[in-house]
Amino acid sequence: DVKVTQSSRYLVKRTGEKVFLECVQDMDHENMFWYRQDPGLGLRLIYFSYDVKMKEKGDIPEGYSVSREKKERFSLILESASTNQTSMYLCASTPTGRQNIQYFGAGTRLSVL
Amino acid sequence: GQQVMQIPQYQHVQEGEDFTTYCNSSTTLSNIQWYKQRPGGHPVFLIQLVKSGEVKKQKRLTFQFGEAKKNSSLHITATQTTDVGTYFCAAWKNEKLTFGTGTRLTIIP
Repeated sequence: DVKVTQSSRYLVKRTGEKVFLECVQDMDHENMFWYRQDPGLGLRLIYFSYDVKMKEKGDIPEGYSVSREKKERFSLILESASTNQTSMYLCASTPTGRQNIQYFGAGTRLSVL
Repeated sequence: GQQVMQIPQYQHVQEGEDFTTYCNSSTTLSNIQWYKQRPGGHPVFLIQLVKSGEVKKQKRLTFQFGEAKKNSSLHITATQTTDVGTYFCAAWKNEKLTFGTGTRLTIIP
């Protein structure tokens, strides 16, 4: 079974803090994605990566950055957390072939106070 | 950018009743996927449709892809409590998977 692991299930941070959300997949997938999920808005793509060291902006990249130093790990960084970044964050990976199934992690519920 | 609209946002049904969620796009889609997210869980892939007019079934679930490849539907016959959750459609375009806003299904026992 594909496993996508997110480092934290719940996080509480203060406004202005730098926040790291980590995601690791164990199936050698090239493609990895970060989404945020908010009620009534569905899943919105923040950033994605198709290879190590490579990153592409999604639909809502403002206030976020990412890092992909190793194939299995994709990190989402909030440089200076704000209250409007309180949300559920979901990481996903996809096998080679691009238009393929997405496998999601369990999610990280981030609260910024 | 590509938008995928999904209705209704919420649906409450009595156990045993049918349920349908609809997905519409302003542009032609190359394929469409459906995911289910249980309460407190993460989205899990259900199925992918590729061909115009395609219909696929998984037990009580029927998935359709419109002839023009701009809309899709998921129909559940005789709902059960295990069907509770949020159902999302999603479509690939320009190397990104765009999700609909989801339909949250609750079942009244």
